[in-house]
Amino acid sequence: GNSVTQMEGPVTLSEEAFLTINCTYTATGYPSLFWYVQYPGEGLQLLLKATKADDKGSNKGFEATYRKETTSFHLEKGSVQVSDSAVYFCALITQAGTALIFGKGTTLSVSS
Amino acid sequence: EAGVTQFPSHSVIEKGQTVTLRCDPISGHDNLYWYRRVMGKEIKFLLHFVKESKQDESGMPNNRFLAERTGGTYSTLKVQPAELEDSGVYFCASSPLGVRQYFGPGTRLTVT
Repeated sequence: GNSVTQMEGPVTLSEEAFLTINCTYTATGYPSLFWYVQYPGEGLQLLLKATKADDKGSNKGFEATYRKETTSFHLEKGSVQVSDSAVYFCALITQAGTALIFGKGTTLSVSS
Repeated sequence: EAGVTQFPSHSVIEKGQTVTLRCDPISGHDNLYWYRRVMGKEIKFLLHFVKESKQDESGMPNNRFLAERTGGTYSTLKVQPAELEDSGVYFCASSPLGVRQYFGPGTRLTVT
């Protein structure tokens, strides 16, 4: 079946460190891929997305590239800030579906 | 533009009691989704409305859960009777046509 696997946290970094959160997926066809972020006390927000192979989604300094050959959509940021502390969720929607399929979420804590 | 709102933000009930969660989508969004995150696990899809019709309810765990969307505006999710395993965060999302879903802040349900 369709699924998303992302690295388990928590991930603890110092400010200005490089961030990678790994995400791989299993899905038939060509799903659309997403990263959502949940800041403390808030709802899920779309961070970035990619809808076809080799697309790069980017927002707020975060990037992720849709890699069909490795079925991956790893999230990266070159220099994290304390304000990036949140829970990050990788997700997909299949071509035939409308419901998001999520990974378990990765908690990121950034200290100054 | 107001975002997706959910009420209550937190509910604590005893096993066997009934709880009703409410979601108000963004005005004009025909699509409304319910998801649930049980502690430490993935956010999982429960069901999808298009206007007042249930498009997909394949994620509803059992018949103790009843979702309605009368008039195609707000939606309610009733759990009756609640069990311990129903504890978690219930998210609502809405979308117009297209892929992007806008999430509410969630309702944290604790069943004791």
